[in-house]
Amino acid sequence: EIVLTQSPGTLSSSPGERATLSCRASQSVSNLAWYQQRPGQAPRLLIYGASSRATGIPDRFSGSGSETDFTLTISRLEPEDFAVYYCQQNTGSWTFGQGTKVEIK
Amino acid sequence: ELQLVESEGGLVQPGGSMRLSCAASGFTLSNYWMHWVRQAPGKGLVWVSFINYDGSTTNYADSVKGRFTISRDNAKNTLYLQMTSLRAEDTAVYYCVRGGALRSLDCWGQGTLVTVSS
Repeated sequence: EIVLTQSPGTLSSSPGERATLSCRASQSVSNLAWYQQRPGQAPRLLIYGASSRATGIPDRFSGSGSETDFTLTISRLEPEDFAVYYCQQNTGSWTFGQGTKVEIK
Repeated sequence: ELQLVESEGGLVQPGGSMRLSCAASGFTLSNYWMHWVRQAPGKGLVWVSFINYDGSTTNYADSVKGRFTISRDNAKNTLYLQMTSLRAEDTAVYYCVRGGALRSLDCWGQGTLVTVSS
């Protein structure tokens, strides 16, 4: 099974700052997606195919990377962006990373 | 409007069974792969199961293989998850999820809580 490791576990930032989240796979993956989960809500798809934004996702969210190393960047944090973010791969079956919490500093 | 609505979960005893259903609206279920994903209280997301367009192909996480069965009724626009031999560690919010582009998960239900406890 492919294991995804996200870092950092928690990111403390202020509104307006840039946030960079990392996801590392234990072996090369063909597709990677990112999800946001706000407290008490279901997750929502942000990025698929490593770098394509899902419908309705603001352009301050961007994804990059390939093979085993992937990054989600939020260019300027808005108040509603403070949430937990998960990466997910789908080579073979589907697995998620353990999540990165983006909290207000 | 795209919508996935899971049936109400609830409390079940260890060793018991429960069937979840998920009603899809705003799109044609038969055109999409579907999944179940769960989240234990305060924990992360865990993929549980997948089913292809017509139900001819399914896949399961090792933790539920042999105990859970995913199925679908495209005529009723409904997805199911039959859970048997339930354990305390199956306690979680269960999400019904639509498969999207490049095997992503692009539309999520609101989730339903299943609690396995005596």
